[in-house]
Amino acid sequence: KNEVEQSPQNLTAQEGEFITINCSYSVGISALHWLQQHPGGGIVSLFMLSSGKKKHGRLIATINIQEKHSSLHITASHPRDSAVYICAATLGGNKLVFGAGTILRVKS
Amino acid sequence: DTGVSQNPRHKITKRGQNVTFRCDPISEHNRLYWYRQTLGQGPEFLTYFQNEAQLEKSRLLSDRFSAERPKGSFSTLEIQRTEQGDSAMYLCASSAQGSDTEAFFGQGTRLTVV
Repeated sequence: KNEVEQSPQNLTAQEGEFITINCSYSVGISALHWLQQHPGGGIVSLFMLSSGKKKHGRLIATINIQEKHSSLHITASHPRDSAVYICAATLGGNKLVFGAGTILRVKS
Repeated sequence: DTGVSQNPRHKITKRGQNVTFRCDPISEHNRLYWYRQTLGQGPEFLTYFQNEAQLEKSRLLSDRFSAERPKGSFSTLEIQRTEQGDSAMYLCASSAQGSDTEAFFGQGTRLTVV
């Protein structure tokens, strides 16, 4: 069992829909990251959080430390949001342990 | 500063050849990480430097893999006697010292071993 599990693996949404991607982890962590990866490989950090909730534009990330669970929400989704979204947990030394990613496709 | 830079972006090599990749981190970052990502999977940790010291190395890293960061700035990852199973995206990231600092990623080097 991976230390970081994401669901769903694949997600197709219609433009404008509210999207939720979930992440569960089984180890003690110091922070949880949400990352976005576009075709071609480049990874962009969206959020880093250790408690509560963060919001940036149409993106919202929440974390529940007791339940070892985090969610990434996208409001009013748009085709340009199509990407792979990866959850990663920070362990010692700032090393990241990654989930397998969620492939999101938003159709117009 | 333009962020984390990796070269080359793509590399195709024949099985058995040696390859070397380079990563230039953000200049003030003293932590540098190498990850490997195969198709359909999330990245996996390979190794980590703080300044020039290699502090941790994954069991995934066979003896054919070696990484250096000689002056605590850029890093190189070398794979000797490449195998088809080495085909993957090799990602470099850097971060500043301190707990829970954000990691910044390069565009990656995609290796194809034929």
